[in-house]
Amino acid sequence: SQELEQSPQSLIVQEGKNLTINCTSSKTLYGLYWYKQKYGEGLIFLMMLQKGGEEKSHEKITAKLDEKKQQSSLHITASQPSHAGIYLCGADPGNTPLVFGKGTRLSVIA
Amino acid sequence: ETGVTQTPRHLVMGMTNKKSLKCEQHLGHNAMYWYKQSAKKPLELMFVYNFKEQTENNSVPSRFSPECPNSSHLFLHLHTLQPEDSALYLCASSQELTSGNTIYFGEGSWLTVV
Repeated sequence: SQELEQSPQSLIVQEGKNLTINCTSSKTLYGLYWYKQKYGEGLIFLMMLQKGGEEKSHEKITAKLDEKKQQSSLHITASQPSHAGIYLCGADPGNTPLVFGKGTRLSVIA
Repeated sequence: ETGVTQTPRHLVMGMTNKKSLKCEQHLGHNAMYWYKQSAKKPLELMFVYNFKEQTENNSVPSRFSPECPNSSHLFLHLHTLQPEDSALYLCASSQELTSGNTIYFGEGSWLTVV
């Protein structure tokens, strides 16, 4: 079965700093989804990447998909307290519902 | 507002109780899901419904019983649960079950079994 490893597990950054979160798959990625979750709440869809080399941006968040490396990265520019939360990547195995990583907990301090 | 509404948001129940979690989606989607989220574990898929028919049961114990009366509603009936079943239960939906369809989540129901 497909497994996703996210790194780092947790991250504390100062407001205004840039950061990157990685998601590595044990198998071929047919699609990669990024979600954000505030503690104890549901997942909010951020973006989906389907093609190797694809890059998408939403406000200050950019995600890239490296199909060959079976990896995706999520980059936040000039972090704000509103970016704090848990970021989860989900892989589309192609024939079953999404498989998720354990998440990366991001804290942004003033 | 995500289009997927879950009730109740918080539930405390004894091990001998019977309770139900409810999910309603207002997105016109055909597929619905139940996921379980426990501390320090990845999201675990529990059940999948497509056009009201169950298509996947991920080896979930029978003390969890899903019900999907129509494409917009999904229930999770709970009976004689164990303390280790305490978790955040997330309902989700997607337009179709096929690859490339984004899954949208509800806000979750926090379940505590005492």
